[in-house]
Amino acid sequence: DIQMTQSPSSVSASVGDRVTITCRASQDISSGLAWYLQKPGKAPKVLIDVASRPQSGVPSRFSGSGSGTDFTLTISSLQPEDFGTYYCQQANSFPLTFGGGTKVEIK
Amino acid sequence: QITLKESGPTLVKPTQTLTLTCTLSGLSLSTDGVGVGWIRQPPGKALEWLTLIYWNDDKRYSPPLNSRLTITKDSSKNQVVLTMTNMDPADTATYYCAHRRVGSGNGWVYWGQGTLVTVSS
Repeated sequence: DIQMTQSPSSVSASVGDRVTITCRASQDISSGLAWYLQKPGKAPKVLIDVASRPQSGVPSRFSGSGSGTDFTLTISSLQPEDFGTYYCQQANSFPLTFGGGTKVEIK
Repeated sequence: QITLKESGPTLVKPTQTLTLTCTLSGLSLSTDGVGVGWIRQPPGKALEWLTLIYWNDDKRYSPPLNSRLTITKDSSKNQVVLTMTNMDPADTATYYCAHRRVGSGNGWVYWGQGTLVTVSS
């Protein structure tokens, strides 16, 4: 199975800050990566898939990059509504696997 | 508008079999490329993919749980059913059904609200 490692596990940042979350796959997954935001008590919401394709309605401050084994989710200017836990997920091959999550808190 | 909704028991006893149903609206299980799967999340923990079924009845399972899981679909009712045998307290989690299209890199675009299943005697 492909293991997905996210870092950091948590981050506390101020409104307006640039936030970067990384995800590393244990083997090459090409561009087969998706990013999700989950708010407490809610289902996850997909932000980015195919490594860099934003989903409809996702604010432009969210962007994804990377290929192969190393991927990045960037929030260019953190907003109060961006708090929650972010997950990466490899979508290149079965079994599908998620990272451990990155909790983003607003200072 | 596409919606998914999970239904089933909220409490099961150890060793029992869990059956959950995902009912789709606005999305047909007969449409080319449609996939529906199950993902769970133990309280305070990360997401875990369990299983997936495609419009053409192709099925995939998480290897550690393969022997305990069965996924089926009823296209006439637009429902996907998850069966998990020999339930254990470690299976206590919120169970989500979700939709993704076939193809590498595609994410889970639509999710149900989730249903919390507690395994306890």
